[in-house]
Amino acid sequence: GAGVSQSPSNKVTEKGKDVELRCDPISGHTALYWYRQSLGQGLEFLIYFQGNSAPDKSGLPSDRFSAERTGGSVSTLTIQRTQQEDSAVYLCASSKMGGLYQPQHFGDGTRLSIL
Amino acid sequence: GENVEQHPSTLSVQEGDSAVIKCTYSDSASNYFPWYKQELGKRPQLIIDIRSNVGEKKDQRIAVTLNKTAKHFSLHITETQPEDSAVYFCAATKNRDDKIIFGKGTRLHILP
Repeated sequence: GAGVSQSPSNKVTEKGKDVELRCDPISGHTALYWYRQSLGQGLEFLIYFQGNSAPDKSGLPSDRFSAERTGGSVSTLTIQRTQQEDSAVYLCASSKMGGLYQPQHFGDGTRLSIL
Repeated sequence: GENVEQHPSTLSVQEGDSAVIKCTYSDSASNYFPWYKQELGKRPQLIIDIRSNVGEKKDQRIAVTLNKTAKHFSLHITETQPEDSAVYFCAATKNRDDKIIFGKGTRLHILP
């Protein structure tokens, strides 16, 4: 597709369940970011993948959060044992690296609601 | 690491007036400064960016200025319109492989 694709667009689950959120970046984009955005708040950085380098996980809020990126393309963010405070919109962004810096392109996000 | 401060957090301006949002950064090696606009319920979208080799860039009603000595950059919106109401984020990064750092955002309200 032409843009960053995220799925599902909405996810409602019970507290304590695990969830997986998916991000398909723009083809050829080697950098991929995950952010969390609570209602009316800013972009909270979670994790950054850049090519084959080790990911920057410094923003993950707890060990219940993990992410992987397979084959340098699709990424999955996993939240284990979800809590109500995990409710937020999770945004993925990708960019092309190399040469002049390229801007990030965001997906529409996954709205996660924990009951 | 880099730190980006953005202010004000909320800004209300009369339609037709100008709006200015300011950001400061801490790492003098930062060389790329994009601005994103996020309308309610939508994804953030790039509206303008500037690289450290220029001091100002304009695109119709929006402009960005950069002061490398003072380590601050600003977004200027002239002749504001209702559709300018949104949250605006500034960001900075220092090289092509480095993580981009966002400010906390400014909620801009255009008053009729």
